[in-house]
Amino acid sequence: DVKVTQSSRYLVKRTGEKVFLECVQDMDHENMFWYRQDPGLGLRLIYFSYDVKMKEKGDIPEGYSVSREKKERFSLILESASTNQTSMYLCASSEQGLGQPQHFGDGTRLSIL
Amino acid sequence: AQSVAQPEDQVNVAEGNPLTVKCTYSVSGNPYLFWYVQYPNRGLQFLLKYITGDNLVKGSYGFEAEFNKSQTSFHLKKPSALVSDSALYFCAVRDMTSGTYKYIFGTGTRLKVLA
Repeated sequence: DVKVTQSSRYLVKRTGEKVFLECVQDMDHENMFWYRQDPGLGLRLIYFSYDVKMKEKGDIPEGYSVSREKKERFSLILESASTNQTSMYLCASSEQGLGQPQHFGDGTRLSIL
Repeated sequence: AQSVAQPEDQVNVAEGNPLTVKCTYSVSGNPYLFWYVQYPNRGLQFLLKYITGDNLVKGSYGFEAEFNKSQTSFHLKKPSALVSDSALYFCAVRDMTSGTYKYIFGTGTRLKVLA
């Protein structure tokens, strides 16, 4: 079974802090994704990566950056956290191939005070 | 613009009755369509997908979905609902304009199965 592990289930940070969310997958998947989930808005893609050191912006990249130094790890960085970044963050991975499903972690509920 | 719509925020159904969760899409070309389920405090789990072939797709936990090209729909169905099916369901479609692995998710439909 594919396992996608997000380092924290719950996180509380202060406005202006630099925040790191970590995600690790154990299935050697090429593609990795970061989404945020907000009620009534569904999932919105922040960034994705299709190879080590490769990244592409999603629909809402502003205020975020990512890092993929190793194939199994994809980090989301909030450069200077703001209250409107309070949300559920979901990491996912998938194999190459356009019809491959995504495998999700259990999410990090991030609160910015 | 590529899009996917889930017109119902919530669907209530009695246990043992058939259920339908609706999804419509708008994409150029042939769509790649997915259904996912999210249980409380968990990530999304893949249920089933349509890429090509038979319009009726069978997936996990007894769910199936019917692809209808003329109505641009991909409704999720189950013949007999269980209380344990209560969850949040997401439809997703591959973004055919991006040339990459982007997928567009619907806003989700909360399914409540009543005992």
